[in-house]
Amino acid sequence: RKEVEQDPGPFNVPEGATVAFNCTYSNSASQSFFWYRQDCRKEPKLLMSVYSSGNEDGRFTAQLNRASQYISLLIRDSKLSDSATYLCVVTRSGNTGKLIFGQGTTLQVKP
Amino acid sequence: EAGVTQFPSHSVIEKGQTVTLRCDPISGHDNLYWYRRVMGKEIKFLLHFVKESKQDESGMPNNRFLAERTGGTYSTLKVQPAELEDSGVYFCASSPPPTRTEAFFGQGTRLTVV
Repeated sequence: RKEVEQDPGPFNVPEGATVAFNCTYSNSASQSFFWYRQDCRKEPKLLMSVYSSGNEDGRFTAQLNRASQYISLLIRDSKLSDSATYLCVVTRSGNTGKLIFGQGTTLQVKP
Repeated sequence: EAGVTQFPSHSVIEKGQTVTLRCDPISGHDNLYWYRRVMGKEIKFLLHFVKESKQDESGMPNNRFLAERTGGTYSTLKVQPAELEDSGVYFCASSPPPTRTEAFFGQGTRLTVV
């Protein structure tokens, strides 16, 4: 079983739609949680960190449920430029900075 | 400020040959990581340097892979001899101390072994 599981999609949505991605992680000792964005044939880039209290950055809202070992990302009012692969990423305890990636969820926003 | 740079961007080699990938981290970043994405799979950790020291090399697939970071600046990852299953995209990332800070990725080296 993968340590971080994501639905690979693809999610095909029209512009303006709201879309939600989910991710589960198996290691209860996981310490930090992130969503990264990766455009086609580009490097991953940090989108946002995820906190238990939930956090919002513009149209993006991330949520962490430690009890269920579940992370979510909500994108409101989707734009064409949101089309990308969204990677759920965790770190283990010990703060080494080593990132554990999910396989990614592909989003395609259509006009 | 220059980001993380990797060279080459693409490499096609024959099975059995040697390839050396290079990563130049952001200046001042003590932490340097190598990751790899094999087609159809998730990005996986290979190893972590703190300055010139290997902090964690638990992700290195086998002894055909050798990473170095002489002087704590740029790093190289050598694959010798390359096998077909080594094909994939090799990413380098760097971050300043402490290790909790955001890691910045290079654009990757796409390696194809034929």
